[in-house]
Amino acid sequence: EAGVAQSPRYKIIEKRQSVAFWCNPISGHATLYWYQQILGQGPKLLIQFQNNGVVDDSQLPKDRFSAERLKGVDSTLKIQPAKLEDSAVYLCASSLAGRGTEAFFGQGTRLTVV
Amino acid sequence: QQPVQSPQAVILREGEDAVINCSSSKALYSVHWYRQKHGEAPVFLMILLKGGEQKGHDKISASFNEKKQQSSLYLTASQLSYSGTYFCGTERTGANNLFFGTGTRLTVIP
Repeated sequence: EAGVAQSPRYKIIEKRQSVAFWCNPISGHATLYWYQQILGQGPKLLIQFQNNGVVDDSQLPKDRFSAERLKGVDSTLKIQPAKLEDSAVYLCASSLAGRGTEAFFGQGTRLTVV
Repeated sequence: QQPVQSPQAVILREGEDAVINCSSSKALYSVHWYRQKHGEAPVFLMILLKGGEQKGHDKISASFNEKKQQSSLYLTASQLSYSGTYFCGTERTGANNLFFGTGTRLTVIP
């Protein structure tokens, strides 16, 4: 079974530039999560989708971050414009049915903003 | 919304035991436990869904006290491979989102 795929693995950009991350969840998984993990900290939930609807985006900085899930499958997370404090690993995860089910994580995208 | 874990870090010798705690200020529906090694994605260990439920595999087990909104992860006879950062994830009653704790860094030395 293929796992959660993310790209790119690494990205270096200058502040005020824009960047996009892509995630392909495990086939058939209805729930998709985007987390931000700053070095030494736990994953912080940015946005959670159930199929193509948003379940929770309470911690998403909506002035600069946006996310969409096309047709309830792939998802893209965008940052525009980036700030130095956005440097982190962005993890995508998916689960079969959301609540009460195991979440599988992708390898993440390491973003460095200089 | 983020659960609190303790301790923040622990160092063990091979064969020793450890307990990692996770607590929430909100009523919980479930508790997830994950282990993350440096530079890798978090890997699922187990999920507890019912109050008082206990689960385990190999020498790693966990309990969930629904009334106290707490969970504990037990690692017995630790092995070098147990080293990593352990995170609990919680889903609150009446909510449908998964929040992770601050993490506990476990180091097992020979």
